[in-house]
Amino acid sequence: ETGVTQTPRHLVMGMTNKKSLKCEQHLGHNAMYWYKQSAKKPLELMFVYSLEERVENNSVPSRFSPECPNSSHLFLHLHTLQPEDSALYLCASSQDGRARGKGYTFGSGTRLTVV
Amino acid sequence: TQLLEQSPQFLSIQEGENLTVYCNSSSVFSSLQWYRQEPGEGPVLLVTVVTGGEVKKLKRLTFQFGDARKDSSLHITAAQPGDTGLYLCAGEYNFNKFYFGSGTKLNVKP
Repeated sequence: ETGVTQTPRHLVMGMTNKKSLKCEQHLGHNAMYWYKQSAKKPLELMFVYSLEERVENNSVPSRFSPECPNSSHLFLHLHTLQPEDSALYLCASSQDGRARGKGYTFGSGTRLTVV
Repeated sequence: TQLLEQSPQFLSIQEGENLTVYCNSSSVFSSLQWYRQEPGEGPVLLVTVVTGGEVKKLKRLTFQFGDARKDSSLHITAAQPGDTGLYLCAGEYNFNKFYFGSGTKLNVKP
């Protein structure tokens, strides 16, 4: 039990579909993150939320839309994705927006395949 | 261009062998973290190093932060199959901004 739960674990979607990824943490952390992990590439930071406000958006295409309704939940809404968006999407949380020290706590990820 | 270079990319060794993996950058880190990621799971934090020259030990794992805080190494003594995984380093460049390397994929054969 990592403390960060992601659903679904696997998702296959067509390019015209709309789907959402969900992330939940009950660690009392107040910062949450979406990362994209592709084969042979570094983890790419997509979005950062601190105290439910988006504080970072790393030039992510608008077909990815995050939502943070409260400090325990984070969503990533997906629409009209491309095959190159296929990857492992990782959610993470940290305390007080400072990942130094205790680091990030990651979920197990959602393996997304766009067909 | 990757800010953090990890080497080697892949490493396959026999149980009981020693190994070292590296994390290098041309930039200075405020701190550096090492994570291990097992197949089908997210990365798990192993250690954070903050001071140049710092050495930390975690059982058979020894982590070293370079004096100039631009590089780090992870040494594993007497590797075991349970050490198999992707080892990621993450460097803090600005306050709370961490960039990850591509990782070293380690396979320890029984």
